[in-house]
Amino acid sequence: AQSVTQPDIHITVSEGASLELRCNYSYGATPYLFWYVQSPGQGLQLLLKYFSGDTLVQGIKGFEAEFKRSQSSFNLRKPSVHWSDAAEYFCAVGAGDYKLSFGAGTTVTVRA
Amino acid sequence: DAGVIQSPRHEVTEMGQEVTLRCKPISGHNSLFWYRQTMMRGLELLIYFNNNVPIDDSGMPEDRFSAKMPNASFSTLKIQPSEPRDSAVYFCASSWKGTNEQYFGPGTRLTVT
Repeated sequence: AQSVTQPDIHITVSEGASLELRCNYSYGATPYLFWYVQSPGQGLQLLLKYFSGDTLVQGIKGFEAEFKRSQSSFNLRKPSVHWSDAAEYFCAVGAGDYKLSFGAGTTVTVRA
Repeated sequence: DAGVIQSPRHEVTEMGQEVTLRCKPISGHNSLFWYRQTMMRGLELLIYFNNNVPIDDSGMPEDRFSAKMPNASFSTLKIQPSEPRDSAVYFCASSWKGTNEQYFGPGTRLTVT
């Protein structure tokens, strides 16, 4: 069965600074990988996804993620964060069936 | 598209009462998921439907929980009787089978007193 680890529970970043959120997965074959964002009181919104092909994927809100098979990682990045990026971010892995395994989430705080 | 629609957005009820949560998936999606989110346990998959048929209900915590999907555009999650430990945010999500790409509703925040 697949699993996901998000090593950072909480990250604080200054507005305008770069952001990188780590995600490591465990799965024997090529996984389907996702990043979701959850703002306070809201549902999970899909930021980006990787199925195959180019290992650098672009998403909404200026986010990108890079799939590195050798490191079993799918880290999320944004060059310059905005105060509205304060939220909880979830990495998820799927095996092509129906089930997604979610990480525990990383809470991002943006300071002025 | 309106996205996944859930109702109510907030529900406060007393212990022992029946609670029914509702979900309308995205039109054309044939897979539907119910999740529960708590601080202690994170996001948990409760049940998964494909083409209106329950496929995996291993996450349903107890017999007090039941879910139905009478047609492709409507599902319910019922808790009877409710208990304070059922307090959580319940999400519904839908996808096109095989893509793993799930779209979430805004959630129902349930408080059982």
